[in-house]
Amino acid sequence: EVQLVESGGGLVQPGGSLRLSCAGSGFIFGSYWMTWVRQAPGKGLEWVANMKQDAGEKYYVDSVKGRFTISRDNAKNSLYLQMNSLRAEDTAVYYCAREGTMINAFDIWGQGTMVTVSS
Amino acid sequence: EIVLTQSPGTLSLSPGEGATLSCRASQSVSSRYLAWYQQKPGQAPRLLIYGASSRAIGIPDRFSGSGSGTDFTLTISRLEPEDFAVYYCQLFGTSHPFGQGTRLEIK
Repeated sequence: EVQLVESGGGLVQPGGSLRLSCAGSGFIFGSYWMTWVRQAPGKGLEWVANMKQDAGEKYYVDSVKGRFTISRDNAKNSLYLQMNSLRAEDTAVYYCAREGTMINAFDIWGQGTMVTVSS
Repeated sequence: EIVLTQSPGTLSLSPGEGATLSCRASQSVSSRYLAWYQQKPGQAPRLLIYGASSRAIGIPDRFSGSGSGTDFTLTISRLEPEDFAVYYCQLFGTSHPFGQGTRLEIK
């Protein structure tokens, strides 16, 4: 079964850091662009960052540039999001998703992990 | 930056009826990059349609997508109880913007 499982969410104070992980299974992880999408409570979806198969390219939404870092370890079938200098507005469910190869869309999603930034 | 605007914000219909959801782009886009997702409460989004009109694996044929340029439509014929959810359109590409969503609720 093709699957993505996120972990690492939790409660953190403003200015703090958190590292999210996403473990893939059931597919050749290293063959796909991978992405992070977030959803603030009661709000819509917002793309956060993505990374090419070989980690040679990475992109971020403007609001997280300089604070978040996306990375991956294809040997471990894993995607990561290091989040520093967290703000209240970063509070959201964070999903990792697979970017389809022949499909221009996010075709597989994890169940999400909740990040709460609050004092 | 391209903005996607979905309408209506909320759509109230009964099971068995048909639904038409709209997604309008702020400038012309390639239909190859327009996708639709369904999200139920407490669940992750699920891909329904990619390339504006191609159904993803396992999606029933009562879901169909159409459109080009700036105007795209998701049509659900004969609503089933499990279809009541929030639907998002998305432009796959630079910054991958999503529309704000249409909530499809039971009337």
